[in-house]
This record gives sequence, structure tokens and C-alpha cells, in this order.
Amino acid sequence: QLQLHEAGPGLVKPSETLALTCIVSGGSIANSSHYWGWVRQSPGKGLEWVASIYYTGSIYYNPSLKSRVAISVDTAKNSFSLRLTSVTASDTALYFCARHFTYDFWSAFYSPFDIWGQGLTVIVSS
Amino acid sequence: DIQMTQSPSSLSASIGDRVSITCRASQDITNYLAWYQQKPGRSPQLLIYAASTLLSGVPPRFSGRGSGTDFTLTISSLQPEDVATYYCQKYNSAPHTFGGGTKVEIK
Repeated sequence: QLQLHEAGPGLVKPSETLALTCIVSGGSIANSSHYWGWVRQSPGKGLEWVASIYYTGSIYYNPSLKSRVAISVDTAKNSFSLRLTSVTASDTALYFCARHFTYDFWSAFYSPFDIWGQGLTVIVSS
Repeated sequence: DIQMTQSPSSLSASIGDRVSITCRASQDITNYLAWYQQKPGRSPQLLIYAASTLLSGVPPRFSGRGSGTDFTLTISSLQPEDVATYYCQKYNSAPHTFGGGTKVEIK
């Protein structure tokens, strides 16, 4: 069955760039009608949607992070990635990648997440 | 941005009790509302989408209702395995905001 797995460093220094990759197995990113996204969870802010992407390159960002975040997709590697620049301690969180649940013709990006990765803890500290 | 407010933030109930959690949107989101269950150390699991549609495989003791700005998740008969934190999420427009969560415990 479809599985998602987050990969990347668990520790990032303040002001540096956080880079994470979500590896999708058991299905193809390109041969699907799903958007793919990142959600983070921190004690202070709870669950926070970060960004989402379609394999064609259609992208949506959370406006609160838009100036620092970039999401991309690599269909050859069946993965998608997140970059967050100029990180601070407030970016310390458990980062999840997830698949949007396309439940009707119109949902696409406008849909919840039905399959999640296990999450990767990222700590911002010097 | 539309804000999502959940209440209560926590609750304690007995096995077999009927439990209800409320989620209120600061603006009309029609039925673009989902409910998730998150157990400690696990990723969130989708329970309900479109405000009231149960995801396949979710026990029928879970139900959702509401539209516009006011929504409710109900567990008709609380079971030990339902101990978790429950979140609502709106997805009618970006950002797809989550509620603050409701922690459900057994009394």
C-alpha cells in the first residue's frame, strides 16, 4: 500500500535552511490525481499546514510562511521536498508529509490528508 | 485567515459514554471540514471528511455533523482505543487551518 517517509537532518542551526524530502512508495506521484503536502506540529502552534504541490507543479503555500518556504516535486525519484530558509527556534517541530484525499472531481487541493508519513522531528539549535 | 476554534480542549468520560467535540470556524466554510484522531507518538488519522462522511474503515460510533461555521464530532459510545487527541481542519481555501485539538481521556 502507499507509504510516505520523511527524510532529512534532525538538527538545523538558526538562520540556516531546513531541507526535507518525502519519499513515496507503493504508488506513483505522477500517475495520481492527488496533491501532496507538508504539515508540521509543535507544542506552541499545534498542527500547521505548510505547503502542498501537484506533480505538474501547481503549488499552494501557507501565507504565514510564504516568504521562507519552497516545495518541489521530483517525479523521477517519486518524492517531493520542502525547503524552509532562515529558520529560528519557532521552526522546531515534528514535520509530516501527507497525501491529499481526492474524494470527488472538485476536491484536489481542497481536500484533507488521508495518508501521512510517520513524521520527522527537526530541532533548530546552535 | 479563517480561525478554527475547538472546544473543549480536553475531556474525561467513562467507557460507553456519548462524547461530543465542537469546532467553530470564524467564517462560513460550507462543509469543507475534516476530523482527525491522533494517538500519542502517531501521525494524525483522517476520520471524517466533508463534515459528515466517514472514511472507509472508521468505526460507525464516530459521526460528524454541521455546516457553515459550526461542526460537531460525536463518539456514540466511548471505547478505550478512542483515547487520543482530536483535531478539526478546514480546507475550503488556503491556509488549511487546524483547530487546537481536544484531548479525550477515560475517567
